[in-house]
Amino acid sequence: EAQVTQNPRYLITVTGKKLTVTCSQNMNHEYMSWYRQDPGLGLRQIYYSMNVEVTDKGDVPEGYKVSRKEKRNFPLILESPSPNQTSLYFCASRLQGAKEKLFFGSGTQLSVL
Amino acid sequence: QKEVEQNSGPLSVPEGAIASLNCTYSDRVSQSFFWYRQYSGKSPELIMSIYSNGDKEDGRFTAQLNKASQYVSLLIRDSQPSDSATYLCAVSNYGGATNKLIFGTGTLLAVQP
Repeated sequence: EAQVTQNPRYLITVTGKKLTVTCSQNMNHEYMSWYRQDPGLGLRQIYYSMNVEVTDKGDVPEGYKVSRKEKRNFPLILESPSPNQTSLYFCASRLQGAKEKLFFGSGTQLSVL
Repeated sequence: QKEVEQNSGPLSVPEGAIASLNCTYSDRVSQSFFWYRQYSGKSPELIMSIYSNGDKEDGRFTAQLNKASQYVSLLIRDSQPSDSATYLCAVSNYGGATNKLIFGTGTLLAVQP
């Protein structure tokens, strides 16, 4: 089944404790992206990657890191989480091209205490 | 001015009625337009895409695009309670300077039985 897999689904952590949210897709998509979704602010892009070893900042990259060592994986790293990073996070992927559909993972609800 | 604007709602319609959801965007060179449906706590799901001026129909859904007015809409005919969700308008300029999909904050639709 074609899918984007995110883990974990729920995560509660404390301020300053490094964490990684994993994302993997099995559709051979070149493009992958991370979004966060907050009430009243909608989906905002954190980072995106056009292909292996190519990443770029989105609208809200502060406090986040990503890497794209393999085509299928695009982990999101929070080196020192803070409470303002409490949010619902989505990984997404698509083929290159203006008309290509964006596939979303099931989301990660992160709470930073 | 927000790049993609939607009325947050809630938009309440009786079962069987037509629901009309609207979206305006600010970037005149936008190329592709999408409507996503998102149930509470779930990931966005693509329901319609449109790329040229006019109407595009798919089952009970019709997307309408007017590039001169920078306006895109979604009509849902014979609305069902299962259509109750948040509808996200998304606009892209892939290949341009931003190379990303920009989302509106969504309109909450409530279909009353």
